[in-house]
Amino acid sequence: ETGVTQSPTHLIKTRGQQVTLRCSSQSGHNTVSWYQQALGQGPQFIFQYYREEENGRGNFPPRFSGLQFPNYSSELNVNALELDDSALYLCASSQRTSGPTGELFFGEGSRLTVL
Amino acid sequence: GDSVTQMEGPVTLSEEACLTINCTYTATGYPSLFWYVQYPGEGLQLLLKATKADDKGSNKGFEATYRKETTSFHLEKGSVQVSDSAVYFCALTRGGTYKYIFGTGTRLKVLA
Repeated sequence: ETGVTQSPTHLIKTRGQQVTLRCSSQSGHNTVSWYQQALGQGPQFIFQYYREEENGRGNFPPRFSGLQFPNYSSELNVNALELDDSALYLCASSQRTSGPTGELFFGEGSRLTVL
Repeated sequence: GDSVTQMEGPVTLSEEACLTINCTYTATGYPSLFWYVQYPGEGLQLLLKATKADDKGSNKGFEATYRKETTSFHLEKGSVQVSDSAVYFCALTRGGTYKYIFGTGTRLKVLA
């Protein structure tokens, strides 16, 4: 069973740039969620994708956007980067049929630094 | 809105000591409660969960009981090991939202 994989693991950008982070969900999972974890904080929900559509969004501006592909992999795009976007971005996959209390399986994250 | 509050760390214990990490929550309705653990260099992984009041989740010697009257879900272990050193996150989700709300995490360091 292949776990959740994320790329890149680390990246550095400058303010105003755009970034794309990628996630491959665990085999058999149809739902992907993205979380932002600032240093010393818990993960904050960005949004979730199910059947290639956004299905729930947290308190993040529209410059945070995403995609889910037919193979259930996903991308997180952030435009017009700001210094406060520096964080660990976590992807989590799950199986929707497991219901809302289904386990989330996390990748190791992509650490973004904005200078 | 919904929220989770955890005791601040770091918590430093000697091996075989007892552990309690406090977690309280605020939520409407009947959330499900979780403890996730993040070992150094690894992603978060589910440690245990409880889906209704008075349920007890348990795994790897850790336990937590869903207390609706005190809105708490404290994590306990009778005898910690060095390998338990990690960051522990309390979390909740409410049915239909598919959104998990995490606490800020508590770092545990166990000394040999």
